[in-house]
Formats: sequence, structure tokens, C-alpha cells
Amino acid sequence: EAQVTQNPRYLITVTGKKLTVTCSQNMNHEYMSWYRQDPGLGLRQIYYSMNVEVTDKGDVPEGYKVSRKEKRNFPLILESPSPNQTSLYFCASRGSGEHYNEQFFGPGTRLTVL
Amino acid sequence: LAKTTQPISMDSYEGQEVNITCSHNNIATNDYITWYQQFPSQGPRFIIQGYKTKVTNEVASLFIPADRKSSTLSLPRVSLSDTAVYYCLVGVRLTGGGNKLTFGTGTQLKVEL
Repeated sequence: EAQVTQNPRYLITVTGKKLTVTCSQNMNHEYMSWYRQDPGLGLRQIYYSMNVEVTDKGDVPEGYKVSRKEKRNFPLILESPSPNQTSLYFCASRGSGEHYNEQFFGPGTRLTVL
Repeated sequence: LAKTTQPISMDSYEGQEVNITCSHNNIATNDYITWYQQFPSQGPRFIIQGYKTKVTNEVASLFIPADRKSSTLSLPRVSLSDTAVYYCLVGVRLTGGGNKLTFGTGTQLKVEL
């Protein structure tokens, strides 16, 4: 089944403790991205990657890092999480088909930073 | 990127047709109009995309007037399971294949019996 997976789905952590949220897609998509969703603010793009070893900032990249060493994986790294990073995070990928605005989203990771 | 404006919420009843209009006055020549659906605690799901006139698929229709400054998502005969947030996006493929989509706060559609 074609899908985007994220792990963990839920995470509670404390300020300053480094964490990584993994994202993997099995559709051989070149493009992947990370979003965070907060009440009243909609989804905001954090980082995106057009291909292996190619990443770029989205609208809210501060406090986050990403890497793209393999085509299928695009982990989101929080080196020193803070409470304002408490949010619902989505990973997405997109292929090169006709609907190039069609992104496939993962199930989400709900992060709480205490 | 072109800014979009859509109603915050809409209510409907099962079996009715629902039309959600999105305004995008500053749409650029290369921009496509895309709609997503999101259920609570799930990732958004692509519904439909169009450039001009009318596009129809098994889920919805998208009407785009000639000036492209607005678009209307039409959901025929909605059911309770169509209760969700609907996002209108205007985006373009960036040079090199990148893609920057900006989601607004969307339209919360509530369908009742």
C-alpha cells in the first residue's frame, strides 16, 4: 500500500531533550516536506526537500533540522525542543505526476514539549 | 504566493450540494488551484486541482471562472462523513521541481442529518 509513515505518533518530552521524528514514504517520491499544524494557524511548512541531499527552508524553520540521505526518508530533528514546538506535525511527499500540487500526508505526530 | 480567502465555516444537511468558494485575487499566471480535505487528527488529503474552467472527478467538481480570481469547490449530495475542513490552495511548481504550498485556516464544513 502506498503510504507515508511517521514515528512516533505521539511523543511527550521535556525542554532541551533532542528528538527525531521519522518519516518514510514507499512511493519513490522525490519531494518531501514537513508541516506543523496549530489551532487557528492552519498548516505551516517547516522544511522541504526536492531530492536526496537537497533541502530548503519553509515558512517556519527555526528550531528544526532535517536531513535527506535517502530518497524514502526525511527525518525531522529538534535539537533542543521548547514548549512553543508543541504541535501536530505532518510529513508529506509528492511525485512527479500530473497533479503536482498533490501531496500525500502521513498520519501525523502529536508532540508535547513540557 | 497568492493569498486565499474562504469562509471559516459552513453548515449543510445530508443529501445537499455544498459549494465552497475561495477568493484568490492575486493568482499568478502559472498558479494552479488545489483543494484538500482534512479530518480531525489526520493529514490533509488531496481532492481536486484545476487551472481554468471546470474539473470533475469522482469526489468533487471545481469551477474556475475566466479571470481565475476565485474558485468554487462543489460537493454533490454530502453525507455526514464529509464533515471536515476544506483548504483552498494556490501554488506553483518552483524552479527545479520544488513545491511550496501555503495552507490557510480552511473552511470547516459540518454536515448534519
